[in-house]
Amino acid sequence: NAGVTQTPKFRVLKTGQSMTLLCAQDMNHEYMYWYRQDPGMGLRLIHYSVGEGTTAKGEVPDGYNVSRLKKQNFLLGLESAAPSQTSVYFCASGRIGNTDTQYFGPGTRLTVL
Amino acid sequence: ILNVEQSPQSLHVQEGDSTNFTCSFPSSNFYALHWYRWETAKSPEALFVMTLNGDEKKKGRISATLNTKEGYSYLYIKGSQPEDSATYLCASHYGGATNKLIFGTGTLLAVQP
Repeated sequence: NAGVTQTPKFRVLKTGQSMTLLCAQDMNHEYMYWYRQDPGMGLRLIHYSVGEGTTAKGEVPDGYNVSRLKKQNFLLGLESAAPSQTSVYFCASGRIGNTDTQYFGPGTRLTVL
Repeated sequence: ILNVEQSPQSLHVQEGDSTNFTCSFPSSNFYALHWYRWETAKSPEALFVMTLNGDEKKKGRISATLNTKEGYSYLYIKGSQPEDSATYLCASHYGGATNKLIFGTGTLLAVQP
């Protein structure tokens, strides 16, 4: 049981390049989330999904797209990376329910030059 | 958008000291309050989820209380140890059944041996 995994762990991009971050969970969770974490700020929700085939915008969705084609995977895409997207990205998953905890992946550190 | 605030931002204590921090959140439309422990270079790990006014939760030397009427939660650590050094995050749930969380910026605790 690996929990929540993220690939890659580190990446450096040039402005304008694209990339996809992969999140996978083996806990059969319905809900999945992408956050970004920046110095001096709390974790901010980018996009989330309440089930296979569904996605929705969070607090800071601009410049990102997501897809949830399979229940266990949640992909975060940057079509044209900008320096403002330099951040640490965390994926999380959780069960259905208002009070259930979220389980986090190890994070992906992305630098956009 | 909810604003979740934590204080203090950072705290340095000696081994054996007891300490506490505060999480403030809007009390209207409250669903649940989460506490996470986040060690450097790791991912956040859930400590507690609390929903009812007056809730108290305990895990070893760490405990938490909840006041939903005035919108605050306290996290207490009794007899701090160096391994307690971490950032402690609180998050308020919002958004109905989607279990979206708004995170505070955390309290960084450093315990000196």
